[in-house]
Amino acid sequence: LAKTTQPISMDSYEGQEVNITCSHNNIATNDYITWYQQFPSQGPRFIIQGYKTKVTNEVASLFIPADRKSSTLSLPRVSLSDTAVYYCLVDNFGNEKLTFGTGTRLTIIP
Amino acid sequence: DTGVSQDPRHKITKRGQNVTFRCDPISEHNRLYWYRQTLGQGPEFLTYFQNEAQLEKSRLLSDRFSAERPKGSFSTLEIQRTEQGDSAMYLCASSLHGVVGTEAFFGQGTRLTVV
Repeated sequence: LAKTTQPISMDSYEGQEVNITCSHNNIATNDYITWYQQFPSQGPRFIIQGYKTKVTNEVASLFIPADRKSSTLSLPRVSLSDTAVYYCLVDNFGNEKLTFGTGTRLTIIP
Repeated sequence: DTGVSQDPRHKITKRGQNVTFRCDPISEHNRLYWYRQTLGQGPEFLTYFQNEAQLEKSRLLSDRFSAERPKGSFSTLEIQRTEQGDSAMYLCASSLHGVVGTEAFFGQGTRLTVV
């Protein structure tokens, strides 16, 4: 049973806010939600992590509803350089490995 | 410290040859991970180390694969008798285990092509 489900791809225009939603119906009490970004020919890069409610950093916001069965990564005012694959991960703090799905391929259109 | 470093960045080898990749993690990180990524897929976990101890290996890691992390610093991943199916990007990551909210830092990977 997949731990997370996300859209395979999304397109957006420059300057728009982009929201990518991830479903994780089987999330456990001690699981954290983490998002990574990956550009072609590079390793993934950490974007944001949260447990509940809302987390914001200089790059993105992460919204997690009370039931924690989903989460939404919000990228404000995207630019062409935000074109990448975005991975939603759900992992137990202290879990020994990060489990990646196939991610969401985000394409920003000029 | 400039982050996680992997060497080489690219490797082309003939089927049946052995190859070895090196990963230098961020110096204070005690965890080191190896992943494999094929085109269009997310990274797949291969193995990880806590300091010098290899604590888990994926079923993906066949007997032809071996990883070491002597002295808990750099790590090597060796593939013996390479097969075309081994062609992939091999990613190394490191993290500081035991810290809440810690993140894993990835290297740029080694792209292996088996011909």
